[in-house]
Amino acid sequence: EDKVVQSPLSLVVHEGDTVTLNCSYEVTNFRSLLWYKQEKKAPTFLFMLTSSGIEKKSGRLSSILDKKELFSILNITATQTGDSAVYLCAVLYSNYQLIWGAGTKLIIKP
Amino acid sequence: DGGITQSPKYLFRKEGQNVTLSCEQNLNHDAMYWYRQDPGQGLRLIYYSQIVNDFQKGDIAEGYSVSREKKESFPLTVTSAQKNPTAFYLCASSIYRIGELFFGEGSRLTVL
Repeated sequence: EDKVVQSPLSLVVHEGDTVTLNCSYEVTNFRSLLWYKQEKKAPTFLFMLTSSGIEKKSGRLSSILDKKELFSILNITATQTGDSAVYLCAVLYSNYQLIWGAGTKLIIKP
Repeated sequence: DGGITQSPKYLFRKEGQNVTLSCEQNLNHDAMYWYRQDPGQGLRLIYYSQIVNDFQKGDIAEGYSVSREKKESFPLTVTSAQKNPTAFYLCASSIYRIGELFFGEGSRLTVL
């Protein structure tokens, strides 16, 4: 059965810390992996990763995919309270369908 | 501003009643989706539509129905046949195939 597993389920750090969120997957017909941030209600898109080993970066956030070991990580450096959110990982396996992980709840303490 | 509007944001219904959740987008996207989000679980796809007048079942379509009569609109009806309808429902859209999904703010349905 296809699955996407995120770890840890929750994480509490202090402002300024660096965090690494993990997403492992076992999905037939893998096409790409996507990261989203869900602060209150609407998830917002962060990254889409298709090729192994190529880091995608946006400000303090970066992500990389390892298609051999079947995982991705999302790094956030110099965390701020505004980074507090649930981070969702999803794997695209058809043109219109994703398998989603349960998310990592990140809390940044001032 | 372009975006996706879901209504209502909160909805309370008695068991046995059908309810319809609205989803409207002005992004000119072809594809639209309905997801269900429950605590501790990943988003699960209910229905999706690639184009007007066409839609496909997702992983948990039983007890739900949709229509796509206009490009902008993709309403979801939660029928009385849905065994556990209390959940947070998210509507999304994409230009064509999934590259980036744009989400609405969600509708929280509570069945009493």
